[in-house]
Amino acid sequence: AIQLTQSPSSLSASVGDRLTITCRASQGISIALAWYQLKPGKAPKLLIYDATSLESGVPSRFSGSGSGTDFTLTISSLQPEDFATYYCQQFNSYPLTFGPGTKVDIK
Amino acid sequence: QVQLVQSGAEVKKPGSSLKVSCKVSGGSFSSYAISWVRQAPGQGLEWMGGILPILGTPNYAEKFQGRLTLTADKSTSTAYMELSSLRSEDTALYYCARQLGDGFDIWGQGTMVTVSS
Repeated sequence: AIQLTQSPSSLSASVGDRLTITCRASQGISIALAWYQLKPGKAPKLLIYDATSLESGVPSRFSGSGSGTDFTLTISSLQPEDFATYYCQQFNSYPLTFGPGTKVDIK
Repeated sequence: QVQLVQSGAEVKKPGSSLKVSCKVSGGSFSSYAISWVRQAPGQGLEWMGGILPILGTPNYAEKFQGRLTLTADKSTSTAYMELSSLRSEDTALYYCARQLGDGFDIWGQGTMVTVSS
């Protein structure tokens, strides 16, 4: 199975900060990667698919980059509603594994 | 718009079985894979398995092989997740999700399952 690691595991940030979260795959997965936002009491929300494509309705401050084994999710200017936990997920092969998550909280 | 509506919360005894439903409305059911994802308390997201209703062939995470059964009823546009031999570690929030390309774009509201004696 393909393993995904994320860094950092948690971070504290302020409104307006630029944020970058990294996801690394144990083997090459081309661009078969998605990013999700998870808030308590809510279902996960798809942010980015195919590593770089912004899901419809997601603010443009979110962006994704990378291919192969190294990927990043960037939030260009953190907003109050962005404090949440972020997960990457690979779609290259079964099982469709998730990363362990990155929790973003308020500094 | 497409919605996935799951069955309600469950409390189960250890050793028993669980069956959760996920009804798809407002769009095509057969053409998109439905996956099941769970989140145990304080833990991350875990993919359990998925099924493409038009083929009916499921894929399971190795961890759940032998305990998990995924089915899809095209006549009612409903997917089912059945987990047997429940233990306390299966206490979690269970989601169904529609796969569109390389992403789960629509999710059910979640079903809380508590396994306790």
